Amino acid sequence: KAGVTQTPRYLIKTRGQQVTLSCSPISGHRSVSWYQQTPGQGLQFLFEYFSETQRNKGNFPGRFSGRQFSNSRSEMNVSTLELGDSALYLCASSNHTTGRREQYFGPGTRLTVT
Amino acid sequence: AQSVTQLGSHVSVSEGALVLLRCNYSSSVPPYLFWYVQYPNQGLQLLLKYTSAATLVKGINGFEAEFKKSETSFHLTKPSAHMSDAAEYFCAVSDRVGDDKIIFGKGTRLHILP
Repeated sequence: KAGVTQTPRYLIKTRGQQVTLSCSPISGHRSVSWYQQTPGQGLQFLFEYFSETQRNKGNFPGRFSGRQFSNSRSEMNVSTLELGDSALYLCASSNHTTGRREQYFGPGTRLTVT
Repeated sequence: AQSVTQLGSHVSVSEGALVLLRCNYSSSVPPYLFWYVQYPNQGLQLLLKYTSAATLVKGINGFEAEFKKSETSFHLTKPSAHMSDAAEYFCAVSDRVGDDKIIFGKGTRLHILP
């Protein structure tokens, strides 16, 4: 099976712009979670989608949003970018229906805001 | 509420020596527990998971972890360190009921000394 894929892998944006990141989960996985990873804060949970519905949300401002499509692919959007949004954004998928709770991660998108 | 504490943000061991990375969790019920590894510029890879089948869990790359309920610990060990083990390691916890939300520790960077 193909793993979790994320596009693009690297992105450079300017303050005030918006950005959309994409994640394709492992085939058959219906749950997709997003994380922000920075050297100072570590791994922080952004949100989780299951069957096109947001099921969990972390403590991030409304500038961070996401959605999931019927094929389980997910996108996250960050509007009005700030310098502090520079981070590695990781997507993870899991097979919730079997009760397996481990998550499988993609390689991440490295976002740099200048 | 669940939480995970990893003792030591950096651990250095000599090649061939024992690797011990510490993880303590807080959960109201025996949880699912995971160890992930992250190599530079990559996503997280699942090393092993505890789901109550056995308290000693064997994972990939020669790593294993022991669940100790009395100590609320899930320490990661490897008998003999290899240079390729240099990476960042994350302990994570998930409750047995409810959603797939996983809480990650802040990570421990493992350095291997020649």
